Amino acid sequence: KNQVEQSPQSLIILEGKNCTLQCNYTVSPFSNLRWYKQDTGRGPVSLTIMTFSENTKSNGRYTATLDADTKQSSLHITASQLSDSASYICVVIPLSGGYNKLIFGAGTRLAVHP
Amino acid sequence: ETGVTQSPTHLIKTRGQQVTLRCSSQSGHNTVSWYQQALGQGPQFIFQYYREEENGRGNFPPRFSGLQFPNYSSELNVNALELDDSALYLCASSLAEVGGGELFFGEGSRLTVL
Repeated sequence: KNQVEQSPQSLIILEGKNCTLQCNYTVSPFSNLRWYKQDTGRGPVSLTIMTFSENTKSNGRYTATLDADTKQSSLHITASQLSDSASYICVVIPLSGGYNKLIFGAGTRLAVHP
Repeated sequence: ETGVTQSPTHLIKTRGQQVTLRCSSQSGHNTVSWYQQALGQGPQFIFQYYREEENGRGNFPPRFSGLQFPNYSSELNVNALELDDSALYLCASSLAEVGGGELFFGEGSRLTVL
């Protein structure tokens, strides 16, 4: 069964610190892997989209990495801000599927404290 | 702002009632997907509409139904509401592409079933 597992489930860091969120997946082959940020009670917003051939992609203070051999991805947040408090969701699209085949992780809930 | 709007933002229903949720897709997008997101979980795919036809369905019973209109806006209908239907319902629009392209989410409709 195709799965996307994220860790940690929740994380608390102090403002200004860096953090790394993990995503392990068993989906294979896959078309692309995405990271979304979801504020509480709001819709997810795309941070990065990586194809299977890409190793890293940045979006401001957010940097996603992908290791297709180990089937792992990470999202690194640099110099965290209070507004980074949100859930971060890893999503994988299998190669054979379209948007009706998106496989979502349960997310990591990040809290940034002053 | 993703250009995807959903209504209502919040609503409360009782068991056995019916509900209709609405979604206006981003201009130029012909594909709409609906997701159910329980508290603390990742979104679960309900179904997708492409040019007014259902184009994929997740593991949801027939009492979950939908429509897409000629202007590509969409409705999600849920009959015979159950307590477990309480969730955030997300709509996402996209251009019909397999495995690629951006997916834009609305802010969601928060349904509470009492």
